[in-house]
Amino acid sequence: QKEVEQNSGPLSVPEGAIASLNCTYSDRGSQSFFWYRQYSGKSPELIMSIYSNGDKEDGRFTAQLNKASQYVSLLIRDSQPSDSATYLCASEGKYGNKLVFGAGTILRVKS
Amino acid sequence: SAVISQKPSRDICQRGTSLTIQCQVDSQVTMMFWYRQQPGQSLTLIATANQGSEATYESGFVIDKFPISRPNLTFSTLTVSNMSPEDSSIYLCSVGVAGAGGEQFFGPGTRLTVL
Repeated sequence: QKEVEQNSGPLSVPEGAIASLNCTYSDRGSQSFFWYRQYSGKSPELIMSIYSNGDKEDGRFTAQLNKASQYVSLLIRDSQPSDSATYLCASEGKYGNKLVFGAGTILRVKS
Repeated sequence: SAVISQKPSRDICQRGTSLTIQCQVDSQVTMMFWYRQQPGQSLTLIATANQGSEATYESGFVIDKFPISRPNLTFSTLTVSNMSPEDSSIYLCSVGVAGAGGEQFFGPGTRLTVL
């Protein structure tokens, strides 16, 4: 069983719309969750971290965490073509410090 | 965040040879990790590079194939030994700082092709 699961997509949204990316995790002991953005041919870039239940907003990005449902999401408001990338969800593993990554969701924002 | 560099950025190697990848950080960091990203796949942790001691390898990765050094808090190397075409991948180092809530930051990666 994969520890972090994401829909591979592609998720296509029109420019200006809200993109919703979802992730589930299996380890109830995980405390920290991260969203990375990876452009084609580039390395992953950390865009959001979330540690507590609820929402965390940073500019156009909102991360949501529900530990009871073991669910993490990322909302991107006013999506732009430059947001087109693969978004990787990661949880901090059982033994701390090590990240477990999902397979990633490809997002395509069409102008 | 820390500035991380990797050398080489890419290489094409022959089967049976070895390649050493370097990772340099511009500040002292607590944690350094090595990941592999195979074509079209997500990231898989190879090992945690421990300063002054042997690396901690994940299941499926062994020291003979992927020897790692970390002589100080800003530098680490990963060697891919006795390469085969299946080792063709992007190899990434990442760093984390104690107290930063588990955040990790990635270097630019090394794209390896084995013929």
